[in-house]
Amino acid sequence: AQSVTQLGSHVSVSEGALVLLRCNYSSSVPPYLFWYVQYPNQGLQLLLKYTTGATLVKGINGFEAEFKKSETSFHLTKPSAHMSDAAEYFCAVSDLKQGGSYIPTFGRGTSLIVHP
Amino acid sequence: ETGVTQSPTHLIKTRGQQVTLRCSSQSGHNTVSWYQQALGQGPQFIFQYYREEENGRGNFPPRFSGLQFPNYSSELNVNALELDDSALYLCASSRLLGDNEQFFGPGTRLTVL
Repeated sequence: AQSVTQLGSHVSVSEGALVLLRCNYSSSVPPYLFWYVQYPNQGLQLLLKYTTGATLVKGINGFEAEFKKSETSFHLTKPSAHMSDAAEYFCAVSDLKQGGSYIPTFGRGTSLIVHP
Repeated sequence: ETGVTQSPTHLIKTRGQQVTLRCSSQSGHNTVSWYQQALGQGPQFIFQYYREEENGRGNFPPRFSGLQFPNYSSELNVNALELDDSALYLCASSRLLGDNEQFFGPGTRLTVL
């Protein structure tokens, strides 16, 4: 069974500071990894995903994440936080299920708080 | 291109009642999945529909059921509502069954009193 652990339910940064949201996963097969963002009262929006190939993945809004197989990690970073980045962030892992579909397993989420 | 839409946006029910939530997939998408997101938690997979058939189910009891229609829109039905069913219900669609990317709707907030 696959699982996702997001370290820290809340992360607080100052505007302009580095953002680092941590995600560790467990999976018995090479995983697909995702980061989603959820703004208040909205659904999930895909930030970026890792499937195969380059381990450093760039996403929208200046975010990127690096797949480190040896550490089973997929941490999300952004060099400089903006007030508009304040939201809930979810890491997810999926692999091919019986029935031919990919069903993601989500972490519990990390709330990013950005201070002026 | 129209994204995933869900209705209603909010709903209040009492324990024991039944509820139906609706989802319209993104144009051209033939696979739809439903998730339950309790307060402070990540989404939990309920089930997936492909070609009007259930194609996988998470750890939810049979009182959670669904339908997919020929136009790929979908319904989630929950019978005998319990207080713990209070959550945000998310619908997500993907273009093909084997796609690893899903597109999420804004959700329906269900409150059970």
